[in-house]
Amino acid sequence: SYKLTQPLSVSVALGQTARITCGGDDIESKNVHWYQQKPGQAPILVIYRDSYRPSGIPERLSASNSGNTATLTISRAQAGDEADYHCQVWDSSTAQGVFGGGTKLTVL
Amino acid sequence: EQLVESGGGLIQPGGSLRLSCVASGFSVSDSYLSWVRQAPGKGLEWVSILYSGGTSYYSDSVKGRFTVSRDSSKNTVYLQLNSLRADDTAVYYCAREGGARAFDLWGRGTLVMVSS
Repeated sequence: SYKLTQPLSVSVALGQTARITCGGDDIESKNVHWYQQKPGQAPILVIYRDSYRPSGIPERLSASNSGNTATLTISRAQAGDEADYHCQVWDSSTAQGVFGGGTKLTVL
Repeated sequence: EQLVESGGGLIQPGGSLRLSCVASGFSVSDSYLSWVRQAPGKGLEWVSILYSGGTSYYSDSVKGRFTVSRDSSKNTVYLQLNSLRADDTAVYYCAREGGARAFDLWGRGTLVMVSS
């Protein structure tokens, strides 16, 4: 089955840029979606189809997908960006959803 | 638009439970609805999807034990959990697919605890 790999944690200084990676075999051939989840809350979709932002998501959040790695970039990091971030794809060969293990973002 | 899950609780290993997900603001019959779970302190795990046409798919870890269904008259999707195991302990979220298999609307979840 298809696997997605994320770092357990990423730290970023306030106002700086954080990058969270999501690795998978030939992931660039898939649509990658990203979710933000704060403690005790349900996930929120922040990026869909590799790089599109739903309405209400700030432009500071951007993403890309190339080769075997998709990347979520958070610019000018704020305290409110502290959360777990999960990447997700659809494995069409098995008709199953796949999530990465999630990355905890800490803003220092 | 909203999703509200219910039906979770404490259940013994081997037991059964039925979770409900009530939708408002849109029709479950016209949507793709998934269940996603999250074990305590762990990441998200996709569980199942029910397509508008009625076809359903499951993760390997629940196939044969869980069944998804819907009642259009109640605008509700259900997840029947059978033969529960300790590793099924998780918060179960209902989520709507909004295109390209991205989940654009989530409920707040319902907690299932499997323990003797």
